[in-house]
Amino acid sequence: ELKVEQNPLFLSMQEGKNYTIYCNYSTTSDRLYWYRQDPGKSLESLFVLLSNGAVKQEGRLMASLDTKARLSTLHITAAVHDLSATYFCAVEPMDSNYQLIWGAGTKLIIKP
Amino acid sequence: DSGVTQTPKHLITATGQRVTLRCSPRSGDLSVYWYQQSLDQGLQFLIQYYNGEERAKGNILERFSAQQFPDLHSELNLSSLELGDSALYFCASSKRDKSYNSPLHFGNGTRLTVT
Repeated sequence: ELKVEQNPLFLSMQEGKNYTIYCNYSTTSDRLYWYRQDPGKSLESLFVLLSNGAVKQEGRLMASLDTKARLSTLHITAAVHDLSATYFCAVEPMDSNYQLIWGAGTKLIIKP
Repeated sequence: DSGVTQTPKHLITATGQRVTLRCSPRSGDLSVYWYQQSLDQGLQFLIQYYNGEERAKGNILERFSAQQFPDLHSELNLSSLELGDSALYFCASSKRDKSYNSPLHFGNGTRLTVT
């Protein structure tokens, strides 16, 4: 069964701290996507990771992909309140029937 | 703004009723995807259309159906509604029939409440 597991599922942290969200997947893939969702809002694409070792950074967020370990990380540096949201990873399997496999999401709350 | 338009934004209806959700993809996108997001189930893929044809099916109930029209807009029809169908329904679009290195672009969703 194809699985994408995110952890933690819930994270409450203080502003200024660093933390990492993990995305493990069970299938062969070299394409992984990170999305952000604010409460009751749409999903916004953050990063597209297309190869082993890929690293992308945008502001205080950095995402990486290790296809051999089947692991992606989303690292938050010096968190600020505006980063509070739910973060989803989605994997595109190599033998995909066209569909992304989604993680359950990590709800991140950053306290001032 | 993703360029994907969904209507209506909110729907409140009674059990047993039927509703239609509408989606217009981004200009130039040929694929439309429908997702259901509820609190206890997370994001669930329902169905995908590419250039008017059904491309993939996910966990879509038999009471639900969809289609994509020649102008590429899509409709999701939900019938014999149950309380458990209350959820946020998202439409997403992409240029090709697979993600192919580019992310899906999501609409703002339709929030369906079944009472």
